[in-house]
Amino acid sequence: SQQGEEDPQALSIQEGENATMNCSYKTSINNLQWYRQNSGRGLVHLILIRSNEREKHSGRLRVTLDTSKKSSSLLITASRAADTASYFCAPRGGATNKLIFGTGTLLAVQP
Amino acid sequence: DTAVSQTPKYLVTQMGNDKSIKCEQNLGHDTMYWYKQDSKKFLKIMFSYNNKELIINETVPNRFSPKSPDKAHLNLHINSLELGDSAVYFCASSPQGGFNTGELFFGEGSRLTVL
Repeated sequence: SQQGEEDPQALSIQEGENATMNCSYKTSINNLQWYRQNSGRGLVHLILIRSNEREKHSGRLRVTLDTSKKSSSLLITASRAADTASYFCAPRGGATNKLIFGTGTLLAVQP
Repeated sequence: DTAVSQTPKYLVTQMGNDKSIKCEQNLGHDTMYWYKQDSKKFLKIMFSYNNKELIINETVPNRFSPKSPDKAHLNLHINSLELGDSAVYFCASSPQGGFNTGELFFGEGSRLTVL
C-alpha cells in the first residue's frame, strides 16, 4: 500500500541525544512529508522532501529520502523534552496522489 | 486566530444516536479533509473535498455523510452511531495544488466516544 510505515514504533532517549526514525513505503511517490503530533493535539507539518531530493534540513531536523529503497529517515539532533511526541511519515503518490499516514513513532525524550 | 477549527472537541453519546462535527478553516484553502484516528494512532483518510466538490471517498460506511456548504467549511454527520465509531476525527485543509503536492493543516481533533 502507499501507507508509510514508521520504525521503531516507540523510542525513548535522554535529552541532548539524537533521535532517528525511519519510514518505509511501497509505491512511487511525488513527495514524502513528516508530521508531529503532541498528545491530544492535531498533526503539525514538519518538513516535505520531494522525490528528486535526497536530503533536506530544517533547524534541528534532517530528513533523507532513498527512492531506490523506498525509505526515508527523520533525524532530530540535540533532542529536548519538548520534542516528546508522535512522528508520522506520509508519502504522497500512487494512483490517487493521496497523503496516507501510518501509526507513527512515539518519541519520549527524558529530561 | 485558529487556522482550522473543529467543534465540538469532545462528544460522548449513546449507540444509535446521530451526531455532527463541524470544521472551518480561515486559510483560504480550496481542499478540506476528514481523517479518523483510532486508538492505535492509525490515521485514515475518509473524505476530501476540493472547492465544495467531493474528490476522495474512501471505503466509509454510508452512515457517514460529509457536507461542504462552501470551501471554508466541511462538516461530518454520522447516523446510527456504533461503538466502533469511537475515535478522534481530524479535519484538515490544504491549498489548491496542495492536493497534489503540499502540506496539510490539521485541526485539533474531535474525540467521539460512543457508549
